[in-house]
Amino acid sequence: DIQMTQSPSTLSASVGDRVTITCRASQSISSWLAWYQQKPGKAPKVLIYKASSLESGVPSRFSGSGSGTEFTLTISSLQPDDFATYYCQQYNSYPITFGPGTKVDIK
Amino acid sequence: QLQLQESGSGLVKPSQTLSLTCAVSGGSISSGGYSWSWIRQPPGKGLEWIGYMYHRGITYYNPSLKSRVTISVDRSKNHFSLNLSSVTAADTAVYYCARGVVVAAADIYHYFYMDVWGKGTTVTVSS
Repeated sequence: DIQMTQSPSTLSASVGDRVTITCRASQSISSWLAWYQQKPGKAPKVLIYKASSLESGVPSRFSGSGSGTEFTLTISSLQPDDFATYYCQQYNSYPITFGPGTKVDIK
Repeated sequence: QLQLQESGSGLVKPSQTLSLTCAVSGGSISSGGYSWSWIRQPPGKGLEWIGYMYHRGITYYNPSLKSRVTISVDRSKNHFSLNLSSVTAADTAVYYCARGVVVAAADIYHYFYMDVWGKGTTVTVSS
């Protein structure tokens, strides 16, 4: 299985901050990476697919980059609606695996 | 707009079989280019992909659960199902169904990410 790690596990930030979350894969996954946002009691919502492609309807303040084993999710200016947990997910090989999550909370 | 809705047994006794159904509305489960997955999330923990099916009858199960999992489809009802046998307390979780967008394929391998999710259903394993 491909192991996914994320850092940090928790991030405290203020509205308007630029936020960056890192995701690393235990082996190369090319660009087969997605990012999801999950709020308490809700299903995950896809933000980014193929490492850097913005899902339709997702605000442009979200962006993704990277390839191979290292990836980042950036929120250019944190908004109140963005406080949530973020997961990366690889789909380069089965089983599909998720990172452990990064919780973004209010500073 | 496509919607998914999970339903099934919310309380299951240890050693019994967990059975869930995902009803698909606003689209056909037989449409090409999409996969159909089950994912679960234990209380306070992260996401675990259980497995998927593709409309041509292809299935894949996470090896961690493979001996206990079956994913099947009922095209006449436009839904797909999850059976997980011999459950224990470790199977207590919120179970989600999700549609996958297949962005590429190689032989029987499908590259997909999940773009539409059900709201999830809580399953508790307890006597």
